[in-house]
Amino acid sequence: KAGVTQTPRYLIKTRGQQVTLSCSPISGHRSVSWYQQTPGQGLQFLFEYFSETQRNKGNFPGRFSGRQFSNSRSEMNVSTLELGDSALYLCASSRVGTTSYNEQFFGPGTRLTVL
Amino acid sequence: AQTVTQSQPEMSVQEAETVTLSCTYDTSENNYYLFWYKQPPSRQMILVIRQEAYKQQNATENRFSVNFQKAAKSFSLKISDSQLGDTAMYFCAGRYNAGNMLTFGGGTRLMVKP
Repeated sequence: KAGVTQTPRYLIKTRGQQVTLSCSPISGHRSVSWYQQTPGQGLQFLFEYFSETQRNKGNFPGRFSGRQFSNSRSEMNVSTLELGDSALYLCASSRVGTTSYNEQFFGPGTRLTVL
Repeated sequence: AQTVTQSQPEMSVQEAETVTLSCTYDTSENNYYLFWYKQPPSRQMILVIRQEAYKQQNATENRFSVNFQKAAKSFSLKISDSQLGDTAMYFCAGRYNAGNMLTFGGGTRLMVKP
């Protein structure tokens, strides 16, 4: 069974540009969550999508947005990039998103560098 | 607000010895899950062990075990018989509400020395 895949793996952008990152969950998984990992702020939750609906959202500005498609694949978009957006962006998927436990499986991440 | 704190930024241990990583958390929720994740250098984050807050028994997975002290809001990870492959960043995390939002601690970098 294929794991969580994220594309691209590496990305270099300049300030002011926008970027779209993609995440394909494990087959059968309907919940996709996104996290930002930086040396200074650590791992921070961005948002979670379940059945094409955003269910939870972290404390990030509106420049960060996401969506989920009917096949559960998810994209996140960052507009008007800032230097501080340089980070490893991790995607995690789980079978369902309910109050019961469902293990989250993480992808390898997309490393975004903003120059 | 939910918080997770790891007070040990770096630790080292000799191969085959035992090491304990500390984690404290704060939440007003009664039902929650706590996790330890491992992130090896340049590799994907993987789940090491989980603990349901309503279970009093400490979770164990092979060489990994936790000491869950609910009243003290403490959740430490013990690694027995440390192996070189245990070298990684370890993150403590909590899931406090519906859905899959995880709140992570700052991480502990563990180095296992031969």
